[in-house]
Amino acid sequence: QSVLTQPPSASGTPGQRVTISCSGSSSNIGSNTVNWYQQLPGTAPKLLIYRNDQRPSGVPDRFSGSKSGTSASLAISGLQSEDEADYYCAAWDDSLNGPVFGGGTKLTVL
Amino acid sequence: QLQLQESGPGLVKPSETLSLTCSVSGGSISSRNYYWGWIRQPPGKGLEFIGSIYYSGNTYYNPSLKSRVTVSVDTSKNQFSLKLNSVTAADTAVYYCARQRATRDNWFDPWGQGTLVTVSS
Repeated sequence: QSVLTQPPSASGTPGQRVTISCSGSSSNIGSNTVNWYQQLPGTAPKLLIYRNDQRPSGVPDRFSGSKSGTSASLAISGLQSEDEADYYCAAWDDSLNGPVFGGGTKLTVL
Repeated sequence: QLQLQESGPGLVKPSETLSLTCSVSGGSISSRNYYWGWIRQPPGKGLEFIGSIYYSGNTYYNPSLKSRVTVSVDTSKNQFSLKLNSVTAADTAVYYCARQRATRDNWFDPWGQGTLVTVSS
């Protein structure tokens, strides 16, 4: 049981916009920033979004992040087949005194 | 470009100690802006934080693993290491090392490629 809650799956067709939610509590998302990771099949996770809505260099602007209260969202616009991957949210947890991850969302491009 | 590479045995017997090393190249492990962390992923499951270390030796661990985990650093070799004792089949996972921002933002970037460790007799 992960501290942060994500839907196990999401899907969309090429060109569509999809969003993935991440729900937490006052001890994590409610008081700290959220990071998102993309894990393509058979590879290591890669930082996708940091500090709620910042993109590392090289990440397309089709990917965007937002946070409100104790929840966060990752949006992918102009969906492409290469976006098919697992996506994880993460945040510092003040109660556990360490980073916590969501359970991951498997995105399928139909 | 900073790169991290995990190394260590791919097979560990139950009740024994899992030992892995992460070698850092393209940058110094003694950077004041970063911790160095371990994260694992059981087959078909999600990510779990294990523990992190600062170049000075300051550490923090996942409370659920704290009693069995030790993370250490060797700045002369630009490496940091993980020891997990009393392993069981539940510790079978891909183990990743990663650089971790030393603020409450604490993002992990970059990651090593990961190494699969199987616990089996």
